[in-house]
Amino acid sequence: DAGVIQSPRHEVTEMGQEVTLRCKPISGHNSLFWYRQTMMRGLELLIYFNNNVPIDDSGMPEDRFSAKMPNASFSTLKIQPSEPRDSAVYFCASSFLLDSPLYRYGYTFGSGTRLTVV
Amino acid sequence: RKEVEQDPGPFNVPEGATVAFNCTYSNSASQSFFWYRQDCRKEPKLLMSVYSSGNEDGRFTAQLNRASQYISLLIRDSKLSDSATYLCVVNMKGDDMRFGAGTRLTVKP
Repeated sequence: DAGVIQSPRHEVTEMGQEVTLRCKPISGHNSLFWYRQTMMRGLELLIYFNNNVPIDDSGMPEDRFSAKMPNASFSTLKIQPSEPRDSAVYFCASSFLLDSPLYRYGYTFGSGTRLTVV
Repeated sequence: RKEVEQDPGPFNVPEGATVAFNCTYSNSASQSFFWYRQDCRKEPKLLMSVYSSGNEDGRFTAQLNRASQYISLLIRDSKLSDSATYLCVVNMKGDDMRFGAGTRLTVKP
């Protein structure tokens, strides 16, 4: 398996533009997570899905952020309109469900998307 | 109290030293615990799961203390390649895993 695949690796955009981040989880994993990492706030959970269904989006900063998972192999995180304070590294991670004996292998992270909003 | 709390360090130790990190968590019902390692400008990677009875993987030992709500990571015979940030991870409810802010370790020659 190629692991969790995120695209793009880097994104530089102007304030006000729409940004779409993409993630392909590991095949067979049932849970998908979007995290944001900054120096000031560390790793923050934005939203997670179980079996393609959003379970908890309480970490999504505001209405400018939205996430979808139309099928088991693809998810998007969209920011519209983007602002300079959204600049961060956005990680996608996937795992087996909590009640799976394979959950002990934890999360696998993608390489992240480094977003810069100018 | 923060959900997951770690000493941010930095810990600067010589090669061969033994170093220990602690992590406290707020939810007494938490069931799953992990240590992750993150290198500069890279994604976090699983170092080891933490089991109730404690577990060891080579030079690394993880322990769980439910009564005091903390987990620990012990690294023996530190190598230069152990330099990284170590993240404590605890589930809050369901599949919701929370990361600590991380402890930075630098191993020096």
